[in-house]
Amino acid sequence: AQSVAQPEDQVNVAEGNPLTVKCTYSVSGNPYLFWYVQYPNRGLQFLLKYITGDNLVKGSYGFEAEFNKSQTSFHLKKPSALVSDSALYFCAVRSYTGGFKTIFGAGTRLFVKA
Amino acid sequence: DTEVTQTPKHLVMGMTNKKSLKCEQHMGHRAMYWYKQKAKKPPELMFVYSYEKLSINESVPSRFSPECPNSSLLNLHLHALQPEDSALYLCASSLPGQVKDGYTFGSGTRLTVV
Repeated sequence: AQSVAQPEDQVNVAEGNPLTVKCTYSVSGNPYLFWYVQYPNRGLQFLLKYITGDNLVKGSYGFEAEFNKSQTSFHLKKPSALVSDSALYFCAVRSYTGGFKTIFGAGTRLFVKA
Repeated sequence: DTEVTQTPKHLVMGMTNKKSLKCEQHMGHRAMYWYKQKAKKPPELMFVYSYEKLSINESVPSRFSPECPNSSLLNLHLHALQPEDSALYLCASSLPGQVKDGYTFGSGTRLTVV
């Protein structure tokens, strides 16, 4: 069975500082990993994905994520946080063994303080 | 057009009412999804349509009835709902069979059952 864990309910960071939002996964076979962001009363927006290749994936709005197979992690990072990055972030996993189902983590609320 | 459009944005309905949620996309995506999201929780998969055929029903109560009349439209018919069905209902689309692709989400319909 597939599963995704986001161990932090909330992450607080000061504007201009680097941010990390953590995600670990469990899946049979090769994982396809995704990050989405959700602003209040909006749908989810796709940020980036890891399929294969380089372990460091770059995405929208300056975000990047690092895939670590040995630690089964896919942490989201940004070198310098903006107040406008404050939102709810979801990690998600898919695999061929999981079919069409995308499994979402519980979500992490990012709060960037000016 | 790179959007998924959901209507209405807000809906208040009584427990004896019948209403429908609508979702439309013109990206040529042939997989469409309904998700239910409660406050501060991850989206929960309800239904998946692939090439206009229902491929996944996540044991959703029969008071929710999906319909995919063509490749661009997805409806969710609601009847005799309960207050606990109040949630944000999200529609998403993707290329079918492409496990590697992220989803495009609509902004959702905020449903309140009174």
